[in-house]
Amino acid sequence: AQTVTQSQPEMSVQEAETVTLSCTYDTSESDYYLFWYKQPPSRQMILVIRQEAYKQQNATENRFSVNFQKAAKSFSLKISDSQLGDAAMYFCAYVTGANSKLTFGKGITLSVRP
Amino acid sequence: KAGVTQTPRYLIKTRGQQVTLSCSPISGHRSVSWYQQTPGQGLQFLFEYFSETQRNKGNFPGRFSGRQFSNSRSEMNVSTLELGDSALYLCASSRDEGSSGANVLTFGAGSRLTVL
Repeated sequence: AQTVTQSQPEMSVQEAETVTLSCTYDTSESDYYLFWYKQPPSRQMILVIRQEAYKQQNATENRFSVNFQKAAKSFSLKISDSQLGDAAMYFCAYVTGANSKLTFGKGITLSVRP
Repeated sequence: KAGVTQTPRYLIKTRGQQVTLSCSPISGHRSVSWYQQTPGQGLQFLFEYFSETQRNKGNFPGRFSGRQFSNSRSEMNVSTLELGDSALYLCASSRDEGSSGANVLTFGAGSRLTVL
């Protein structure tokens, strides 16, 4: 079965510091897309960043960047200069093919200490 | 522009009843997908609709069904509700970028269903 594993259920970071959230996945497909979604207490899932598997260059979006290791099937998210508003649940996910059938990990709860 | 709108936001039902949830996608988005979120199982894919046709279906019993209308709005229905159906139901829409498979989902705020 194709899976996404987020082994750390909770993490905490000091405001302005950097934190890395880990994610591993398992798929036999060669063409796929990886995502990190954020879900704050308001429940609305928000796309943080996405990565095309065929691109070796790691995606970045302002303070958010990924470390994509295709051979290791690892896709970690680095948040720099953490802010209080970054506190949320973060989900790693991937999709194969031209559809919206994402496979999500269980998520990690990130807290930010002031 | 308006985001993905889900109604109702909260609802309480009793076992055996049925429920219908509605989702209005972002204007121009043709694909609508539904996810069930529970503390135990996490986020699980229910189904996806594109151009009024079900394109993908997750591993849920036949009690879960959906449809999409010509204006891309979608509804999902759960019949004969069970306690385990209590969950947050999330709808997402995407522009559907075709064979690139790079669908970027925009989620709604969800409908919180409680089954008593």
